[in-house]
Amino acid sequence: DVKVTQSSRYLVKRTGEKVFLECVQDMDHENMFWYRQDPGLGLRLIYFSYDVKMKEKGDIPEGYSVSREKKERFSLILESASTNQTSMYLCASSALTGTEAFFGQGTRLTVV
Amino acid sequence: GIQVEQSPPDLILQEGANSTLRCNFSDSVNNLQWFHQNPWGQLINLFYIPSGTKQNGRLSATTVATERYSLLYISSSQTTDSGVYFCAVRNSGNTPLVFGKGTRLSVIA
Repeated sequence: DVKVTQSSRYLVKRTGEKVFLECVQDMDHENMFWYRQDPGLGLRLIYFSYDVKMKEKGDIPEGYSVSREKKERFSLILESASTNQTSMYLCASSALTGTEAFFGQGTRLTVV
Repeated sequence: GIQVEQSPPDLILQEGANSTLRCNFSDSVNNLQWFHQNPWGQLINLFYIPSGTKQNGRLSATTVATERYSLLYISSSQTTDSGVYFCAVRNSGNTPLVFGKGTRLSVIA
């Protein structure tokens, strides 16, 4: 079975902190994605990556950056966390051919 | 970009009832998936169904790509079916999935 693992299920950080959300997949997938989910707004794409060291902006990249140094790992970075980044963050992966995507368990981040 | 609309937004069912959830999309797709979001927030894969019909136990799905819609059928609903159901599509090459706003299903005993 495909497994996508996010480093934390719940996280509480202070305003201004640098925050790292980690995601690891074990199926040798080329594509990896970060989404955030907010009530009434659904899932919105933050960043995605087609390959190691490659990244593409999604619909809402402001305030975020990403890192993909190894194929299996895709990190989302909040350079200076703000309260409006309190949200559920979901990581996903899929094969390069754009077939079925699989999601991690999600990280519920609260910025206080 | 492609638009995805799900209906109804909310649905309340008595345990044992059947339901149909709909997903309309605005352009041709090469990938369509149905997910169930459990109470802990994880998206569980239900179906990968860019076209045709699939069944898995009490759940089945049909995608009519030429008419740009997909249906998810839940039969003999159980309280554990409660949660939010998402449809997501990809319309070209290797682009990311685009999600609908979801259908929130509540099954009451």
